[in-house]
Amino acid sequence: RKEVEQDPGPFNVPEGATVAFNCTYSNSASQSFFWYRQDCRKEPKLLMSVYSSGNEDGRFTAQLNRASQYISLLIRDSKLSDSATYLCVVNAGGYNKLIFGAGTRLAVHP
Amino acid sequence: DGGITQSPKYLFRKEGQNVTLSCEQNLNHDAMYWYRQDPGQGLRLIYYSQIVNDFQKGDIAEGYSVSREKKESFPLTVTSAQKNPTAFYLCASSGLNNQPQHFGDGTRLSIL
Repeated sequence: RKEVEQDPGPFNVPEGATVAFNCTYSNSASQSFFWYRQDCRKEPKLLMSVYSSGNEDGRFTAQLNRASQYISLLIRDSKLSDSATYLCVVNAGGYNKLIFGAGTRLAVHP
Repeated sequence: DGGITQSPKYLFRKEGQNVTLSCEQNLNHDAMYWYRQDPGQGLRLIYYSQIVNDFQKGDIAEGYSVSREKKESFPLTVTSAQKNPTAFYLCASSGLNNQPQHFGDGTRLSIL
């Protein structure tokens, strides 16, 4: 089993749609969780950290379920500029090392 | 501007040659990392360092070497022992205690 598993995608959605990405992780000792965005042939960029209580940043909402070892990212009112690969990232259970999921590709079309 | 600088942006390696990729950060981060990304794949950890003069192997360290003589710098050498070096190499840095990592804009390495 992979340490971090994501929906493979691609997700093809029209502008204005709401889309949700899921991620599961295997290490129950993990303490830090993030979503990154990676554009084609570019470096990953931090989108948001994920907190136990859930958190929102504009159109983006992240949620964490520790019992199920599950993380989600919800994007509301999708824009063309949201087209990218979204990486679920989890720390390696107490060590200062992050494990990156393979990513979910999102394509938003007019 | 604070950030992470990788150079060169593109690099070509001849067979049997060692090449070194540069990574410099001015974020005062303690930890630095090297990743490899192949087309359509996720990031794989090559080496990481949490303190000057110390580093640990990641998941795919064979054929690579690093040094951490200064806090700001974490160069990666791709040796001739790495038989399939063509990839996108990403350097990152972070504070300690599981802070998010911030990336440089990468180096694309190809074989001539």
